[in-house]
Amino acid sequence: QQQVKQSPQSLIVQKGGISIINCAYENTAFDYFPWYQQFPGKGPALLIAIRPDVSEKKEGRFTISFNKSAKQFSLHIMDSQPGDSATYFCAASIGGYSSASKIIFGSGTRLSIRP
Amino acid sequence: GAVVSQHPSRVICKSGTSVKIECRSLDFQATTMFWYRQFPKQSLMLMATSNEGSKATYEQGVEKDKFLINHASLTLSTLTVTSAHPEDSSFYICSASLPGLAGGPGETQYFGPGTRLLVL
Repeated sequence: QQQVKQSPQSLIVQKGGISIINCAYENTAFDYFPWYQQFPGKGPALLIAIRPDVSEKKEGRFTISFNKSAKQFSLHIMDSQPGDSATYFCAASIGGYSSASKIIFGSGTRLSIRP
Repeated sequence: GAVVSQHPSRVICKSGTSVKIECRSLDFQATTMFWYRQFPKQSLMLMATSNEGSKATYEQGVEKDKFLINHASLTLSTLTVTSAHPEDSSFYICSASLPGLAGGPGETQYFGPGTRLLVL
């Protein structure tokens, strides 16, 4: 129940196309859903995050779509660029304003953008 | 803001030796830090949660006597891999928690750049 399932494992997209990565969860207590971007040999960096009280959040070319009833959420990268080539992790946690919580990571998606 | 550093970035050691990895929050105080381990092409696996001034909480299956964690101050946590063996070779990543303000978006974890450990 603590798992976050992520797909696909790898993804190749043409430059300018839309990259879509999907995640699903079981634990309805999760209330914070971040996405991380990781380049080889580097730590993950927070890309964008959403809370379940909204269905969509957009920041630049990155959009999270959230379906609370289906317990699914996805990352859309519009106008994908070669510089977006990285591994992307979805995650979930039970957050709080005054306490730190564990983040449960998905298995990751290796995204390659073809020039 | 919210920068987390790790030192060293890469370390090679002989089997049987101990290695210490430092994790620092550079521009904020973090009451909680986390240590992760990542094998090649795999996800991050949480090893332990470190709270300032108290004992770390280890995840199931993580040997607390092998992976010693000390969180002596609000900006520094250390992970010591004791009697390292080749199977301990991995990418170790820490994160520091920046608490949210009341009514705000909640706490956010910021990750360090990672430490590559190779045990020969």
